[in-house]
Amino acid sequence: DVKVTQSSRYLVKRTGEKVFLECVQDMDHENMFWYRQDPGLGLRLIYFSYDVKMKEKGDIPEGYSVSREKKERFSLILESASTNQTSMYLCASSPRTDLGYTQYFGPGTRLTVL
Amino acid sequence: AQSVTQLDSHVSVSEGTPVLLRCNYSSSYSPSLFWYVQHPNKGLQLLLKYTSAATLVKGINGFEAEFKKSETSFHLTKPSAHMSDAAEYFCVVSVASGGGYNKLIFGAGTRLAVHP
Repeated sequence: DVKVTQSSRYLVKRTGEKVFLECVQDMDHENMFWYRQDPGLGLRLIYFSYDVKMKEKGDIPEGYSVSREKKERFSLILESASTNQTSMYLCASSPRTDLGYTQYFGPGTRLTVL
Repeated sequence: AQSVTQLDSHVSVSEGTPVLLRCNYSSSYSPSLFWYVQHPNKGLQLLLKYTSAATLVKGINGFEAEFKKSETSFHLTKPSAHMSDAAEYFCVVSVASGGGYNKLIFGAGTRLAVHP
């Protein structure tokens, strides 16, 4: 089975702190994704990566950056956390195939910024 | 632009009665469509997907969905609800983002409640 793990289930940070969210997948997938989930808005794509050291902005990249130094690991970075970044963050991975591919999701990190 | 609309934010059913979760999509070409489920404090799990094969798609846990191009719909159904079906359900369309890569567009979600 595909496994996507995220470094923390719950995280509490203060405004202005630098925050790192880590994601690791064990299926040698090329594509990895970071989403945030907010009530009534579904999931919105922050960034994705289709290869090591490659990244593409999603729909809401402002205030975030990412790093992919190894194929299995994709990090989301909040350079200076703000209260409006309080949310559930979900990581996903997928193989690079046709449009019918499936994304596999991690359990999520619930981040609270005080 | 591709998009997904889930027509109900909340659906409540009694155990043993049918479930219908409605989804309409907008796509300029033949889409790939998915339903994902999220149980409380759990990650998203794929229920089923449509990729231009059979229009009636069967998924896990007795769920199925029918792709209707004329109605641009992909409604999720189950003949008999179980208490364990209580969760949030997301309708999703896969779109090309350019450069040969694709991404998922999520609906806002439908929260299903199942009462004894």
